[in-house]
Amino acid sequence: EVQLLESGGDLVQPGLSLRLSCAASGFTFRNYGMNWVRQAPGKGLEWVSVISSGGGTTLYADSVKGRFTISRDNSKNALYLQMSSLRPEDSAVYYCARHEGVCSGGGCFFSYWGQGTLVTVSS
Amino acid sequence: QSVLTQPPSVSAAPGQKVTISCSGSSSNIGNNYVSWYQQLPGTAPKVLSYENNKRPSGIPDRFSGSKSGTSATLDITGLQTGDEADYYCGTWDNTLSAWVFGGGTKLTVL
Repeated sequence: EVQLLESGGDLVQPGLSLRLSCAASGFTFRNYGMNWVRQAPGKGLEWVSVISSGGGTTLYADSVKGRFTISRDNSKNALYLQMSSLRPEDSAVYYCARHEGVCSGGGCFFSYWGQGTLVTVSS
Repeated sequence: QSVLTQPPSVSAAPGQKVTISCSGSSSNIGNNYVSWYQQLPGTAPKVLSYENNKRPSGIPDRFSGSKSGTSATLDITGLQTGDEADYYCGTWDNTLSAWVFGGGTKLTVL
């Protein structure tokens, strides 16, 4: 059974940093691209970032570019999101999601999602 | 303002059919596959339809996705109270080099 378990969410002050983790199990992690998707309280879904299966390609939403860094450790079946210079508008539930297909080659989709971890940015 | 446009809400009676639309452009829906996601209250999203009109195993055939040009639709037939949820369309955007979601549609089963 595919499982994605996020952790690391917390209450943090604006301008500070936080690292989220996603532990994957039940599939061959190194074979799949992975994403972070967030959802602000009462709002819709917003894609944040994607990393290729080998980690060599990463892309970001304009709203986080230059502040967030996605990475993975295939030896540990783990996905990470390093968030810096956090802003109140970054407050959201952060989901990790596995994708199928090649996103830039006609399309992909998110086949499995974790349950999310809550990040609150406030003084 | 989402790149993909969905109606904020739709409603219908149990047993009826509802259609949720998703409008985009040639940089996204027009040249890429569309997928649909259901988010029940307090839970993570779940894929209902992918590659425009395919259903993952375990998804009832009451849920049907389709695409025409730069628009996509999700049809839900035989509505049940358990279908009350938020529904999102999504696809890749070639110009933005980013995944984009619609703003979401809240389904109420009256």
